Amino acid sequence: DAGVTQSPTHLIKTRGQQVTLRCSPKSGHDTVSWYQQALGQGPQFIFQYYEEEERQRGNFPDRFSGHQFPNYSSELNVNALLLGDSALYLCASSRGGGHPDASAKFFGPGTRLTVL
Amino acid sequence: TQLLEQSPQFLSIQEGENLTVYCNSSSVFSSLQWYRQEPGEGPVLLVTVVTGGEVKKLKRLTFQFGDARKDSSLHITAAQPGDTGLYLCAGEGDMRFGAGTRLTVKP
Repeated sequence: DAGVTQSPTHLIKTRGQQVTLRCSPKSGHDTVSWYQQALGQGPQFIFQYYEEEERQRGNFPDRFSGHQFPNYSSELNVNALLLGDSALYLCASSRGGGHPDASAKFFGPGTRLTVL
Repeated sequence: TQLLEQSPQFLSIQEGENLTVYCNSSSVFSSLQWYRQEPGEGPVLLVTVVTGGEVKKLKRLTFQFGDARKDSSLHITAAQPGDTGLYLCAGEGDMRFGAGTRLTVKP
């Protein structure tokens, strides 16, 4: 049973560029949440996707957008990159729809984004 | 917004010592999760506590959910270097994590 997978593992971009990160959820999971984790800090919630719609959003600007596909995989897009966007981007999957285990999140290994 | 506060922020101990870290909120949670994150990796779920007053044990780790379901603690007995990591708590229904406790266990 494959866990949560993310690609790429590392990425280097320059300011002003755009980036797309990808996530495949754990088998049986239909909900994907994205987090940004700066060095030495806890994960900061970006948004959550369920049934191909953004259900909740954290305090992130519109430069951060996402998408969920019918197979539950998800993408995170960041436009007009800033130096401060350098971080580990984590994807977490869970079961939605009121399932008792809905709150338990399984994380991928993350994508390390460096903006120069 | 349900705010989770974790303490201490940093903890450095010698192998074999015991320790307790805390996760506190002014809000009531239906359940709460604890995670451990090692450098360069994603957080790994350790436990979910659901019932007020509940105690769960995972080898040398003991998790307790407060009676009012507003707080939780994690106690580690005879800490080992392999316990080193960032310990995070997260409340049910809230996508937010606490800032974490960064534990270092020295051999």
